[in-house]
Parts: sequence; C-alpha cells; structure tokens
Amino acid sequence: GAGVSQSPRYKVAKRGQDVALRCDPISGHVSLFWYQQALGQGPEFLTYFQNEAQLDKSGLPSDRFFAERPEGSVSTLKIQRTQQEDSAVYLCASSFLPGQNNSPLHFGNGTRLTVT
Amino acid sequence: AQKITQTQPGMFVQEKEAVTLDCTYDTSDPSYGLFWYKQPSSGEMIFLIYQGSYDQQNATEGRYSLNFQKARKSANLVISASQLGDSAMYFCAMREAKTGANSKLTFGKGITLSVRP
Repeated sequence: GAGVSQSPRYKVAKRGQDVALRCDPISGHVSLFWYQQALGQGPEFLTYFQNEAQLDKSGLPSDRFFAERPEGSVSTLKIQRTQQEDSAVYLCASSFLPGQNNSPLHFGNGTRLTVT
Repeated sequence: AQKITQTQPGMFVQEKEAVTLDCTYDTSDPSYGLFWYKQPSSGEMIFLIYQGSYDQQNATEGRYSLNFQKARKSANLVISASQLGDSAMYFCAMREAKTGANSKLTFGKGITLSVRP
C-alpha cells in the first residue's frame, strides 16, 4: 500500500518479555518518527531517524527502549524486559522533507501493546 | 511549560452546525508550523490542515479552517457543517524551526468531538 504500515497491530506481552515493533514508512520518505500514545493522551515523541541515522533519541523513556533503521527504510522499535507502564499505542510516522515546516507527518495505524 | 494546550472538555455539536476546537501554543521561535490531526476510534492519525507562522492568511481545507491569531498564540480549528463522521479526537501540534533537521511535531492532549444527529 501507499501508506505507513505497522505490525503487529496488537501485541500482548507478559511483563519481562522483549517485544519488537515494525514500521514500514512511505517509500522515499527520508524522516521516520516513533511516538508513544497513552490512552486518552496525545502522542509523545520517542525518537527520530533521517535515513539510517538516528538523530534524536531524547524521548526514549529508558535504556530498555531501542530503535533502529539500518537501511534507511524499515524501522524496528524494540522494548526489552517490558513493564506494565510500557502499555500504550506505538505510532510510527514518516515525512518526505526533513526540516521543512509545512511537511506533515504521515502516521501508521499503530501497534497497541498491552503488558500483563 | 506545555508547548501545546488543549483544555476544552469533550465537545458536542449538532450535525450540520459549525464547531470551534481551541488550541494555544507556546514558543519563542519566530518560525514554526501548526498542524491539526484527527484520530477516529480506529486509531489512525489523519492530517487535516497546516498553518505556517509567516502565513498572511488563515489556512482552509474544505470544511476545515484555522483561526490563526498569532499575537494570542492561538490556532483554533473550525469545522463547518459537521458530519457524523467528524466524531473523533482532534490534536493540535507544532513544529518549531529550531528543531532543525529533527522536524518532530509536539502534540497537545487532544479534544474529543461528538457530533449528534
């Protein structure tokens, strides 16, 4: 498809398990973002890639969170030793032009992570 | 301080009426962009409209328009002729030019809009 694709759509993990969330951005989009959205809240920035370079990871809440985009297209967000507070929707977004004020982010449908 | 403030409680509007969703923002950057997104219950974030800080006119996109008051730092979304499908969460977001190549958006907490038939 033409949009941002995320998988899985839903993930249930037992506390302490590792999870990996995948994002396939729009073809040709240079910028890729990960956001975390708690129930009833706005998305919170986690990390940003420009091509394969991770330029900002200031929003990652702990060193249990790790993201990569090795070939500048598909990205994976990995959460190690999941905790209940990690339960949220994880949104991936991409945009074509980095640094352009008027370039909107195009979001995927998100992965809803539930940690039991 | 919050960069984006959306303080309205859940909003209700009658079908075919107009509704205004409030957004105020805080930045010292003279160059910035403001965005509105819609998030239906299905979860996808849908881009609606953009306003640049240097734009002379208020942005419009179909039934959506932005009431941009720069001095007040407000960027309210106006939806005209509301439809049942407009029921959703609405998020205001800002991009500051000082973020440079990291063109991330900072979002508000959102407003729930319910359209009554």
